[in-house]
Amino acid sequence: NAGVTQTPKFQVLKTGQSMTLQCAQDMNHEYMSWYRQDPGMGLRLIHYSVGAGITDQGEVPNGYNVSRSTTEDFPLRLLSAAPSQTSVYFCASSYSRTGGTYGYTFGSGTRLTVV
Amino acid sequence: GDSVTQMEGPVTLSEEAFLTINCTYTATGYPSLFWYVQYPGEGLQLLLKATKADDKGSNKGFEATYRKETTSFHLEKGSVQVSDSAVYFCALSLNTNAGKSTFGDGTTLTVKP
Repeated sequence: NAGVTQTPKFQVLKTGQSMTLQCAQDMNHEYMSWYRQDPGMGLRLIHYSVGAGITDQGEVPNGYNVSRSTTEDFPLRLLSAAPSQTSVYFCASSYSRTGGTYGYTFGSGTRLTVV
Repeated sequence: GDSVTQMEGPVTLSEEAFLTINCTYTATGYPSLFWYVQYPGEGLQLLLKATKADDKGSNKGFEATYRKETTSFHLEKGSVQVSDSAVYFCALSLNTNAGKSTFGDGTTLTVKP
């Protein structure tokens, strides 16, 4: 099915562990983004990419790394997990054309707990 | 910087009632505007969008009009159903960068039979 695929859906980490959240899209969208969703704080942008090989920081980038070697994939790496990184993580992709942008397609999310 | 302000929730309505969720924005450039919906345990889904002033986005009976003069994009539905119970997010994206959207905090809607 066309869309954004995130894995895993659930993950429990111990403080200090590292891991990679996977994200893949098959719609040939040029833009991809990672958000975290915390109760009462809406969605906050972690990192985003405007195309293969190009990434930039969002509002809350500390403790996370990204890379984009292909149009399809945009993994998010947690370098040394902390309890403050307990959250639900969403990957999203989008595109733009002359006259405007067309909104995100979101993945189903990864619920991460750091203990 | 850019920001989106939504009316605070939660909002509780009876079935067939009229819905309005207010959304105002500030932006440094010329944005596209969006409403997303999130059902329990799911990711966000794009509900509707508008890319320029006076555009009306519509989908599934929901509507919102891009008002540049009042910097608003209020969501409306004439007759809500129980199945509309969800969290609704207003968002903007500058036309120069679709990878960097700004979201409101979300408004929780509960519709009772």
